[in-house]
Amino acid sequence: QITLKESGPTLVKPTQTLTLTCTFSGFSITSSGVGVGWIRQPPGKPLEWLALIYRNGDKRYSPSLENRLTITEDTSKNQVVLIMTNMDPVDTATYYCAHRRQEIIGNYFGPWGQGILVTVSS
Amino acid sequence: AIQMTQSPSSLSASVGDRVTITCRASQGIRNDLGWYQQKPGKAPKLLIYAASSLQTGVPSRFSGSGSGTDFTLTISSLQPEDFATYYCLQDYIYPLTFGGGTRVEIK
Repeated sequence: QITLKESGPTLVKPTQTLTLTCTFSGFSITSSGVGVGWIRQPPGKPLEWLALIYRNGDKRYSPSLENRLTITEDTSKNQVVLIMTNMDPVDTATYYCAHRRQEIIGNYFGPWGQGILVTVSS
Repeated sequence: AIQMTQSPSSLSASVGDRVTITCRASQGIRNDLGWYQQKPGKAPKLLIYAASSLQTGVPSRFSGSGSGTDFTLTISSLQPEDFATYYCLQDYIYPLTFGGGTRVEIK
């Protein structure tokens, strides 16, 4: 059974750096076609894809946030970390991590973690 | 970036109704599209990927179709547990982009 859970601060101040950890079980990020993604959702708004990481450090970022994002993996701990710098109140959102699967016929996110609500406020 | 436009943004329907939600891509994305269901306060759940492949465990009343720029999610007979918001996601090219969502409410 695949599970994921996000952890990190729920309140950060403007200009601070946010570090979120996704701890997962039931799969290995070293496997072919497997990765972890981060997606966020501001209150009452749609989902927004942020970043992805696959094995061997293959990383993808949303261009609109690429200069603020870093995604890394710690395979020994079954964790993926997302770092977002220079936080702003508009970054207030629920942040989700999700299992990423690449199959011959297509790709998908699933399952997802429960999400963590991060509020940016002074 | 590819823009994904969902319609309608919301709809009201009754239990037993057939419901159709559409998603249009600003350029062709082959069949690289997924559908996700999100209930209030919960994480999204994968329903369909590759436009028409039903994820394991998802009821067969959900189906997806389309390719290129126009896609459809159909619920053949709406059940009480299906009242939720539905999102499409294009998986063809980075950046991955979601549609704006369709909220399905009880009539």
